[in-house]
Amino acid sequence: NAGVTQTPKFRVLKTGQSMTLLCAQDMNHEYMYWYRQDPGMGLRLIHYSVGEGTTAKGEVPDGYNVSRLKKQNFLLGLESAAPSQTSVYFCASSSRRNRVNTEAFFGQGTRLTVV
Amino acid sequence: AQKVTQAQTEISVVEKEDVTLDCVYETRDTTYYLFWYKQPPSGELVFLIRRNSFDEQNEISGRYSWNFQKSTSSFNFTITASQVVDSAVYFCALSGVIQGAQKLVFGQGTRLTINP
Repeated sequence: NAGVTQTPKFRVLKTGQSMTLLCAQDMNHEYMYWYRQDPGMGLRLIHYSVGEGTTAKGEVPDGYNVSRLKKQNFLLGLESAAPSQTSVYFCASSSRRNRVNTEAFFGQGTRLTVV
Repeated sequence: AQKVTQAQTEISVVEKEDVTLDCVYETRDTTYYLFWYKQPPSGELVFLIRRNSFDEQNEISGRYSWNFQKSTSSFNFTITASQVVDSAVYFCALSGVIQGAQKLVFGQGTRLTINP
């Protein structure tokens, strides 16, 4: 049981380049999230999804787009990377079972550097 | 709006001391969930506990204990007889059900250092 898998684990981009981070979960979770982690800022929510085909903005959505075409996948796109997007990105998934919110399960993170 | 505040940015104690990490939250939801996660130096996020808004019982798990007080919107975490292996960044998090629409937000984290 893989849980939550993020691809890639490391990436260096030049300013202005685009890329897509892939998050895949095999737990049949309805909810998926993308966070960025910066020193002293904690985990900040970029975008999230409450189900296949739906997405919503989080706290820091500017410069990012997302898609959830399949329930198990949640893609995070950077159309034109900027140095301010240098960060560690985490994907997570969770569920609501028997009217109880489960804990979120996290991927291992993607370290992105924009030069 | 949902918000989690961890006012303690860094805490440093000597091994075997007790330490309490504070967490204060804001939400308009009547049903919500609170979580604590640990992030060791290796970087992964480890789930520690979940508490729902209707259950104000304190919980103890070994050296860890949690104090949930709805009246003060706080969910504090205490480590008793701390050990070096407890050194990590600890995050408090909140998810709502209705207005919060399953949005899961985190506090800024508290970096805990246990010195031998």
